[in-house]
Amino acid sequence: EAEVAQSPRYKITEKSQAVAFWCDPISGHATLYWYRQILGQGPELLVQFQDESVVDDSQLPKDRFSAERLKGVDSTLKIQPAELGDSAMYLCASSSDYYQETQYFGPGTRLLVL
Amino acid sequence: GESVGLHLPTLSVQEGDNSIINCAYSNSASDYFIWYKQESGKGPQFIIDIRSNMDKRQGQRVTVLLNKTVKHLSLQIAATQPGDSAVYFCAEKILTGGGNKLTFGTGTQLKVEL
Repeated sequence: EAEVAQSPRYKITEKSQAVAFWCDPISGHATLYWYRQILGQGPELLVQFQDESVVDDSQLPKDRFSAERLKGVDSTLKIQPAELGDSAMYLCASSSDYYQETQYFGPGTRLLVL
Repeated sequence: GESVGLHLPTLSVQEGDNSIINCAYSNSASDYFIWYKQESGKGPQFIIDIRSNMDKRQGQRVTVLLNKTVKHLSLQIAATQPGDSAVYFCAEKILTGGGNKLTFGTGTQLKVEL
């Protein structure tokens, strides 16, 4: 069964450092999402791509976060500089259709900022 | 593993019993409602969804009920098994010109006792 791949699974960094997370969606899925999940809460959308274009980045803290999906396949989410409050699980999801289809999630990257 | 459920409502059931997990939503404009299961250290896994113009949908061992009058959603799990232990999230999906947007509710920790 096809799955969304994410790496690394765990990342520990010091505040003010730069971190990057990678996501490879299910093959053929045009829509890709990055979520942030704080411990004990539900995921919150950070950014949504349709192919290589950003559809919604209204919740992305653009002063320190950036996301790209240059060839419309895999994607990278970057934080620079990291802050203590960025400690969370970063989840990637993909869906086959821009509009209706189910979002399938990857295993996530657990980030700890010290 | 991580303790996702530190501050979450908890439902404890005996193995073999039926489980009912409840969710209140606020947005009457939601087009779909979805249940996700999240095991410790993993990403959310799609269980079942229901379109807003339906009031019941059944899957394998699961049933989702939607009461739009009181804005309430429930997930019923028949013959609960140890493998059902996880955090369960309901999510609202709105289909807009900007895409397919999920808003997650507060999760419920399901603990299955042997």
